[in-house]
Amino acid sequence: ILNVEQSPQSLHVQEGDSTNFTCSFPSSNFYALHWYRWETAKSPEALFVMTLNGDEKKKGRISATLNTKEGYSYLYIKGSQPEDSATYLCAFRVVFGNEKLTFGTGTRLTIIP
Amino acid sequence: EPEVTQTPSHQVTQMGQEVILRCVPISNHLYFYWYRQILGQKVEFLVSFYNNEISEKSEIFDDQFSVERPDGSNFTLKIRSTKLEDSAMYFCASSVTGRGLEGYTFGSGTRLTVV
Repeated sequence: ILNVEQSPQSLHVQEGDSTNFTCSFPSSNFYALHWYRWETAKSPEALFVMTLNGDEKKKGRISATLNTKEGYSYLYIKGSQPEDSATYLCAFRVVFGNEKLTFGTGTRLTIIP
Repeated sequence: EPEVTQTPSHQVTQMGQEVILRCVPISNHLYFYWYRQILGQKVEFLVSFYNNEISEKSEIFDDQFSVERPDGSNFTLKIRSTKLEDSAMYFCASSVTGRGLEGYTFGSGTRLTVV
């Protein structure tokens, strides 16, 4: 059974502050790690797909890093804005041939104006 | 921006009844998926579908569940005889390829409540 964990479960951050959270996943049979942002009453939106150890990806104020050897990924948000309030989900996929994404519990981020 | 659309957004059904959840994936996507999230739990995989057949399914996806692409646009999930534990948010998703190297496009979900 694959176990993907995210921490913290929830986070309150002052507007303008930077923050980060973690996704932990099995380090064996790694294929890809997905990050999604999920705003209430909307669909989960893909942020990044990461595949290589040491990968760093950036989209505006949001960036992510990947360490496949130790089985973790960090998501960073710089200068948090109210529109960043959402649940951030990571999802792990094992080696090619198995299409299932295994999701973490999510980190619920609330930005305090 | 192309979207995956799901209908209905909410469905309440009596235990034992059949329900059909509908999805319209993005037109040039080839792989389709159903996931669900029971309240307070993780999002979990149900099934993937490619070339008009199931390519992978989870242990949850038993004989009570079926999927179909009845025409060129719709992708449906049928639950034959609903149980209380089927109450969840059901998400449809699609991707161009099944390789997992691009993010999936999710719909906004159907909240199914079984009473």
